Amino acid sequence: NAGVMQNPRHLVRRRGQEARLRCSPMKGHSHVYWYRQLPEEGLKFMVYLQKENIIDESGMPKERFSAEFPKEGPSILRIQQVVRGDSAAYFCASSPPGGVNTEAFFGQGTRLTVV
Amino acid sequence: AQSVAQPEDQVNVAEGNPLTVKCTYSVSGNPYLFWYVQYPNRGLQFLLKYITGDNLVKGSYGFEAEFNKSQTSFHLKKPSALVSDSALYFCAVRKRDSSYKLIFGSGTRLLVRP
Repeated sequence: NAGVMQNPRHLVRRRGQEARLRCSPMKGHSHVYWYRQLPEEGLKFMVYLQKENIIDESGMPKERFSAEFPKEGPSILRIQQVVRGDSAAYFCASSPPGGVNTEAFFGQGTRLTVV
Repeated sequence: AQSVAQPEDQVNVAEGNPLTVKCTYSVSGNPYLFWYVQYPNRGLQFLLKYITGDNLVKGSYGFEAEFNKSQTSFHLKKPSALVSDSALYFCAVRKRDSSYKLIFGSGTRLLVRP
């Protein structure tokens, strides 16, 4: 049973380009969360999605950032017109449905570097 | 504001000695409490959680954590540290009325010397 899979592991983009980060949740998990980790800081919640629905995007910057979790395929976090301040590790987590007692399982992250 | 504090940026301990990594929280209600560990260039791995019941929670790799409601603390402990325990440890809480959003501390780097 593969864990949460994120790709790419490392991504380098020039300022102004677009970054696409992918996340495949664990088998049987229908809830996906994206977190951002800035250097020397803890993880900050960005967005919570279920299949085809954004449940909570309160942690997502209002501009340039978007997320989706289509019926088929991985969840995508998209950052348009990247800036140096977007450089961070982006972690995806997933959890099974229906359980407030369940813990989230994290992927290995995508480290985005904007040059 | 809801927050999680890990007052120590780094904890140094000799192999074989007990270790404690501190965590306090300021979150309304009785949140769920978690510890995660992050090895270099890796994702977060779940260690343990407190939902309800016994204040001493046992988790993976010999770690345990003690919940103290009056002090709003959830310190991570291990009786005998291993060099391989060296990593970054994160405390996190989740409100009971919100089944998903984790609030993380800033992390504590544990260094176990041989």
